[in-house]
Amino acid sequence: QAVVTQEPSLTVSPGGTITLTCGSSAGPVTIGHYPYWFQQRPGQAPRTLIFDTGDKHSWTPARFSGSLLGDKAALTLSGAQPEDEADYYCLLSYNGVRVFGGGTKLTVL
Amino acid sequence: QLQLQESGPGLVKPSETLSLTCTVSGGSISSSGYHWGWIRQPPGKGLEWIGGIFYTGSTYYNPSLKSRVTISVDTSKSQFSLRLTSATSADTAVYYCARPERYWGQGTLVTVSS
Repeated sequence: QAVVTQEPSLTVSPGGTITLTCGSSAGPVTIGHYPYWFQQRPGQAPRTLIFDTGDKHSWTPARFSGSLLGDKAALTLSGAQPEDEADYYCLLSYNGVRVFGGGTKLTVL
Repeated sequence: QLQLQESGPGLVKPSETLSLTCTVSGGSISSSGYHWGWIRQPPGKGLEWIGGIFYTGSTYYNPSLKSRVTISVDTSKSQFSLRLTSATSADTAVYYCARPERYWGQGTLVTVSS
């Protein structure tokens, strides 16, 4: 089973920009892995921010964007807000089998 | 707007079977192109994908759990279910059902303990 890797923790200043990445031990991440990004605040269920690499929902703040960056999937936050402090998880698909990354704890400070 | 709600016992004895049901309301569970999944989160840890069932009926499981997991769907009741056999304390977690590209249940804590 592939291992999906994320930065364990990152810090961004209010108003700043930061990129979270999602890599795969099986090789480069592509659109065929259908990368998803989830945000989870303490005590809450995850909510889907990004699906299929870069598609957003109506509730996804415009400051979040998803893309492929080099060999990885990426979630970029431009103009961080205090409410963006949360855990972020990516999910990749390997021919139907899904694998979560270990999550990134994002601090806005 | 779909809503998903997990239900099932909150306490399971070691070696017994953990069974949960997800009831989908506000829309069709048979819509094409989607997969319905079970995800869990041990206390203080990250998310783990357990498995999923596609609108075609095909199932896909986490290889590390595959020998113990069964996911099924009952379209007449708009429900899909999880069975995890031979439960141990390592299976203690909040269990979520989801249509992961958009909808999540609120989660239910299942504790495996005697």
